[in-house]
Formats: sequence, C-alpha cells, structure tokens
Amino acid sequence: DTGVSQDPRHKITKRGQNVTFRCDPISEHNRLYWYRQTLGQGPEFLTYFQNEAQLEKSRLLSDRFSAERPKGSFSTLEIQRTEQGDSAMYLCASTLVFGLAAHNEQFFGPGTRLTVL
Amino acid sequence: TQLLEQSPQFLSIQEGENLTVYCNSSSVFSSLQWYRQEPGEGPVLLVTVVTGGEVKKLKRLTFQFGDARKDSSLHITAAQPGDTGLYLCAGENSSGYSTLTFGKGTMLLVSP
Repeated sequence: DTGVSQDPRHKITKRGQNVTFRCDPISEHNRLYWYRQTLGQGPEFLTYFQNEAQLEKSRLLSDRFSAERPKGSFSTLEIQRTEQGDSAMYLCASTLVFGLAAHNEQFFGPGTRLTVL
Repeated sequence: TQLLEQSPQFLSIQEGENLTVYCNSSSVFSSLQWYRQEPGEGPVLLVTVVTGGEVKKLKRLTFQFGDARKDSSLHITAAQPGDTGLYLCAGENSSGYSTLTFGKGTMLLVSP
C-alpha cells in the first residue's frame, strides 16, 4: 500500500497526558499537512511542511500543539497536557507541489481518533 | 477568513433518485475540490475544478464550478447505496501559502 498512513488509528488517554501521532506520507510527496476534524465539521487546517520546513504554524490550536518533520519524510504531531476538548480525529495529508501551476490536490490518511477522558 | 457553506447539511434519499448538493462562498478560489469521506476514514479526493464555468463528469457524478469561482455544485444521477458518505468541498486560496479551506460537508444517506 503506497498511500498515506497514520499511527495509531485510535488513542485513548487521560486528561493531562501527552500524546504523539505519526504520519507517513506518499513517498515522493514534498508537502505534508495536519488537520483536526470534530464531529459534524470539515477538516480544520493546523499546520503544514514543505520538505522539512514548517511553513505555517500559526493555526495550531495552542502552544500545547507542536509538529515536526525532521527529515522531510514522516511527521509527528504532539499534544501536551491533553484536554477533553482535544478529542477529535487528527488527519494527515500529503501532496506533490512543484512550480506555480500546481493545484493542491491532497491525499489523506485514515486519521487518528483521539479520545481524552 | 474564507468560509465555505455547504447545503444541505444532511440528505436522505432512496436508491435511484437524483440529488444536488451545493458549496457556496463569498470568496474567490483558485481551485475547488470535492472529497468523499466514509465514517472513520480520511477524505478521498473526487475531483478538482479550476476554471470558472468548468463542468467535470465522473461516472454518475457531475461537478460544476461557478463562473466567478465562488461556488460549486455536485449532482449525482441515480444514486446508489455505495454513494453514502460525507461530501466535502474545499477551496484553495488564491494568494499566499497554498492551503485548503473545507466546508462542513453534506452527509448523504442512500437507502436501498
């Protein structure tokens, strides 16, 4: 399977704990995005990387959220001191962007469902 | 902030019926994409429309981009139970860094 993969698929944690999610993009894709999706809503953009550079992180929900893509391949999203309001589906997407004419067709992973008790 | 409004929010129909769902905004987008999402899974890209007035067909699905590139519609002919899912539209902004703004989606349920 050469699609976007995410691990774990489900995570249950207690309030106050830290959690880390991993995303493996399609291998030749240079851009990687993180989204959060709550029930009844569309995906909400959090941050994205072009190769290893994090180009936009102002939309991360708070300073408890951070993301890395150290070698320009897989990425991790960490949430520190989780709160019940963090319960959501966290989606990763990747795309190959080159030149100015490309359109941002993103390929999504299956998501990580986080439940904070 | 660019917002996309989708309507209806929920649609329940019988197999064989036709339907249209809408995606509207006051903002201009450089492209607009439609995705379908099944429960517990990530969205899957159906189509990208780029040019104002563009119409694309994907089997029984017809997608149209408004002339002003602010709105779009998805028409499904002879719906089947396999069409059940959340249909999301996403607009790519025209300037600055390239990200997608998603609508809340239309949940479609097609009953046999």
